[in-house]
Amino acid sequence: GAGVSQSPSNKVTEKGKDVELRCDPISGHTALYWYRQRLGQGLEFLIYFQGNSAPDKSGLPSDRFSAERTGESVSTLTIQRTQQEDSAVYLCASSLAGRGLEQYFGPGTRLTVT
Amino acid sequence: QKEVEQDPGPLSVPEGAIVSLNCTYSNSAFQYFMWYRQYSRKGPELLMYTYSSGNKEDGRFTAQVDKSSKYISLFIRDSQPSDSATYLCAMKGPTNAGKSTFGDGTTLTVKP
Repeated sequence: GAGVSQSPSNKVTEKGKDVELRCDPISGHTALYWYRQRLGQGLEFLIYFQGNSAPDKSGLPSDRFSAERTGESVSTLTIQRTQQEDSAVYLCASSLAGRGLEQYFGPGTRLTVT
Repeated sequence: QKEVEQDPGPLSVPEGAIVSLNCTYSNSAFQYFMWYRQYSRKGPELLMYTYSSGNKEDGRFTAQVDKSSKYISLFIRDSQPSDSATYLCAMKGPTNAGKSTFGDGTTLTVKP
C-alpha cells in the first residue's frame, strides 16, 4: 500500500515569506508526527497528533510554527515569516494508535530559506 | 547537554566486518529504545526496538540496552555495502505513544 507522502519535496523561499508543508499519512494511522532535521543532525520533535486528542505542541520552536490536522488524514505544517535558521528537512511520520514505536516516515520536504 | 548522545562517526569498515554503533542517554524515564536506518535523502526506517534492558536479535542486527549505564548499542554482523547509511538511535518513555528523542546519527560506509 501507499506510504507516507509529503509535498512539496523541495521548497526554496525568501526570508520573511510564509510556507506550508503537507503530509498525507498512511490510511488508518491515527497518530501523526512532525520532525525537523537540520543538516548532519538527528530528528527534532515538533508536534504530535493522536486522533481527536489535543496535539502535543511541546516541540514547536516558536509561535511562527503551527500545524493542523484534518480528522485522521492530511496534516499541514505552516511556518510564518521564515528565517534562514528554518532551513532543514521537515519529516512527517505516522503510526497506528498505541504503536508509537513503529513510526513510518515520509521522504521529507527540504526547505531552503534564502 | 543533549538527552541523547550518539557516537558521531563517520565510520568506515570493510565488507564482512562487525560494526558497533552506540548511544548514551541521560533521561532515566526512557523505557523504549529504537534504531533507525536512513539512506541519503530518504526518511528514516525503523530497524528494531527494545523495551527496557536486554538484547534483541533480528538477522544480522543485535540491539543491546544497559539501563544501569544508560547505554545502548546496535551491532551489525557480516556488514554489507547495502548497510551503508546513517543510523539513528531514538528513545521514548514511559509510554510508547508520543514523541521520540533522537540522537544525531552515525554515518556508516561499508567498503566492498
